[in-house]
Amino acid sequence: DIQMTQSPSSLSASVGDRVTITCQASQDISNYLNWYQQKPGKAPKLLIFDAFNLEVGVPARFSGSGSGTYFTFTISSLQPEDIATYYCQHYGNFLPLTFGGGTKVEIK
Amino acid sequence: EVQLLESGGNLVQPGGSLRLSCAASGFTFSNYAMNWVRQAPGKGLEWVSGVSESGDTTYYADSVKGRFTISRDNSKNTLYLQMNSLRAEDTALYYCAKRGGPARGWLDPWGQGTLVIVSS
Repeated sequence: DIQMTQSPSSLSASVGDRVTITCQASQDISNYLNWYQQKPGKAPKLLIFDAFNLEVGVPARFSGSGSGTYFTFTISSLQPEDIATYYCQHYGNFLPLTFGGGTKVEIK
Repeated sequence: EVQLLESGGNLVQPGGSLRLSCAASGFTFSNYAMNWVRQAPGKGLEWVSGVSESGDTTYYADSVKGRFTISRDNSKNTLYLQMNSLRAEDTALYYCAKRGGPARGWLDPWGQGTLVIVSS
């Protein structure tokens, strides 16, 4: 199975900062990579699909890039409501789905 | 509005069984593959199981294979997870989630989750 290594596991940044999270696949996964936001006590929410496509209604300060084995998720200007844990997730033609370990984002 | 509502979570003893349900509304249930994902307390997300649109193809994580059975009733717009031989490590919040579509491997939306606690 493909492994997804997400880093860092946590970060602390100031409001307005640019925040970047990375996700590395153990083998080439093309652009089959999604990003989710999970706020405390809530279910995960899809933010970006297929590496760089922003889900409808998601603020433009969120973005994704990458292909192959290396992917990045960026918040261009961190806002207080962005406090959450973010997960990458890979999918292939068949299951299983594979999640990264998560990145907890806090305000400094 | 697409909605998923899980139920059936409970406290159960090790070795026991439980059946989770997920009632879907706001979309044509039979057109979408469905999945269960769990989250142990304070931990990350773990995919558990998935089922095809018709229900004839199922997939499981190695950690639950042989113990859990996923199924669906398209006439009732409901997804199920039968969990047998439960272990302490199965303790988690269990989410059901709709797959984006054929060749669309994202999960959207997710239900609010149902809590399973395996303890004596």
